[in-house]
Amino acid sequence: DARVTQTPRHKVTEMGQEVTMRCQPILGHNTVFWYRQTMMQGLELLAYFRNRAPLDDSGMPKDRFSAEMPDATLATLKIQPSEPRDSAVYFCASGPTSGGFQETQYFGPGTRLLVL
Amino acid sequence: EDQVTQSPEALRLQEGESSSLNCSYTVSGLRGLFWYRQDPGKGPEFLFTLYSAGEEKEKERLKATLTKKESFLHITAPKPEDSATYLCAVQGIRNYQLIWGAGTKLIIKP
Repeated sequence: DARVTQTPRHKVTEMGQEVTMRCQPILGHNTVFWYRQTMMQGLELLAYFRNRAPLDDSGMPKDRFSAEMPDATLATLKIQPSEPRDSAVYFCASGPTSGGFQETQYFGPGTRLLVL
Repeated sequence: EDQVTQSPEALRLQEGESSSLNCSYTVSGLRGLFWYRQDPGKGPEFLFTLYSAGEEKEKERLKATLTKKESFLHITAPKPEDSATYLCAVQGIRNYQLIWGAGTKLIIKP
């Protein structure tokens, strides 16, 4: 049963510290999405990769967030420096494309981040 | 502007009491409408994709339908394990992104 995996599942850190979240997409999926979910904002798209290339990161605060995909099996989301307002659940999702269109996205379990 | 509105925000039902959740959307050319289920502390779990008006899909006690302006998720004789937040999202033909609704929190009481 193929699944998206994310590590760590939980992270508590202090303001100003660097946070790195990792995601292993489902083998064969060529797109990866990073989302942030809060009670107030719901699901917000942070970044999007297709075939490992970043196509859209307009949803990310550029001064502190960065996303990379060093290989097809790993996507990372970094926050440096972290702030209390970054506290949220961060989800990674992957999916295939077909005929140039994005097909269904499959979500990982999320990383629950608390910045004190 | 592409937009998705889900109603109601929350719905409490007795076990066995059938009902429907609504997802109204505005999008420039619908590519697909997606339904997901999210349990507390977990990621959204894919349920259905609908592509054209008139299409219907079923899974156990759930049935999703689609018109040109909205989608319904019908739940028949629900059980407590159907309690979750149900999310709706649409994809337009011009964009890869999903536009998400805020979700409907469904609570089924035994």
